[in-house]
Amino acid sequence: GAVVSQHPSRVICKSGTSVKIECRSLDFQATTMFWYRQFPKQSLMLMATSNEGSKATYEQGVEKDKFLINHASLTLSTLTVTSAHPEDSSFYICSAQTGARDTQYFGPGTRLTVL
Amino acid sequence: QKEVEQNSGPLSVPEGAIASLNCTYSDRGSQSFFWYRQYSGKSPELIMSIYSNGDKEDGRFTAQLNKASQYVSLLIRDSQPSDSATYLCAVADDKIIFGKGTRLHILP
Repeated sequence: GAVVSQHPSRVICKSGTSVKIECRSLDFQATTMFWYRQFPKQSLMLMATSNEGSKATYEQGVEKDKFLINHASLTLSTLTVTSAHPEDSSFYICSAQTGARDTQYFGPGTRLTVL
Repeated sequence: QKEVEQNSGPLSVPEGAIASLNCTYSDRGSQSFFWYRQYSGKSPELIMSIYSNGDKEDGRFTAQLNKASQYVSLLIRDSQPSDSATYLCAVADDKIIFGKGTRLHILP
């Protein structure tokens, strides 16, 4: 149980294009989903927290107009990187949990490369 | 500001020995504690969760929690080369806070 999927696993795009990443909880309903970014050899960095049906809460320094998050249902959240630039190239990981103190289950991650 | 502190390592341990990973946290109100393992290039995977003081064992892994000292640890017995990874400590009250992780290297 507690499986989280992400799609795509890897994406390469040209600078200026937008990329959408999907995060799904496959066997449980996630009240909250999280989006993280991780650069090589660095720690996880929380970008935003999203609850189903409400606006995402972004961490300080994360541009909400650039990283659009939609949490349309209890099993699906999407992250759209708009007008991507090479510096947005990173490993994007989502996680999902059922309650505030519950375990976060991570998706396998999406590696984004912006040319 | 709530913080979770881990030694970044690398921690080098001979194969077959016990690896001991430590974590301290600042929020006394924390209720839930987690250890995740992250291999290079992969996302974190849950190893153990612990909620009350004392030890919790699962196979070769033992999590230890001391709320009075605000300290949580993970012991890995009979360390294997496949245990080489970064280990993330996470602490939760109303939200989960992750430490930056300890890199563990098991020496064959």
